[in-house]
Amino acid sequence: KQEVTQIPAALSVPEGENLVLNCSFTDSAIYNLQWFRQDHGKGLTSLLLIQSSQREQTSGRLNASLDKSSGRSTLYIAASQPGDSATYLCAVPQGGSEKLVFGKGTKLTVNP
Amino acid sequence: KAGVTQTPRYLIKTRGQQVTLSCSPISGHRSVSWYQQTPGQGLQFLFEYFSETQRNKGNFPGRFSGRQFSNSRSEMNVSTLELGDSALYLCASARQGMDGYTFGSGTRLTVV
Repeated sequence: KQEVTQIPAALSVPEGENLVLNCSFTDSAIYNLQWFRQDHGKGLTSLLLIQSSQREQTSGRLNASLDKSSGRSTLYIAASQPGDSATYLCAVPQGGSEKLVFGKGTKLTVNP
Repeated sequence: KAGVTQTPRYLIKTRGQQVTLSCSPISGHRSVSWYQQTPGQGLQFLFEYFSETQRNKGNFPGRFSGRQFSNSRSEMNVSTLELGDSALYLCASARQGMDGYTFGSGTRLTVV
């Protein structure tokens, strides 16, 4: 059974700081990993999708890496802004199914 | 390109009633999944449909059911509502899981 852990659970940083969010998963037999952002009470916005054959993906100030063999992914946010304040979730499929297993998320607060 | 549309956005129901939630996926997406999000349990998978067939089901009681129509639109139904069913219900769609999922804004269900 796939389990996903995200560390830290919460993070508060000053504006402009570079930061790293961590995600670990127990079953490395995944075909992709997805990072999402969720603003309070809202739906999920997909940030980055990394296929199992890739090691990283970049979008603007965001960079996600994937190390399948060690069951880890990181989301790097450069030059953080107050608008980045949200909960960040990572998700991986369970087995070969379409079921996504989510971590509990990291709640990020970027202070002006 | 239109995103995933969920209706209604908010619902208040009384214990014992039943409710139907609707999800219109992105055009061309045939896989539709449903998730329940609560503060205590996080995001939990309910079920996934592909071309009108339920392919995966989560660990929820039989009061939770769903279906998918030939145009890929999906509905989920919860019968005999309980207070614990109060949650944000999220729908996600994809062409296939390897392409990554796009989520809707969710339906906030409150059971009183």
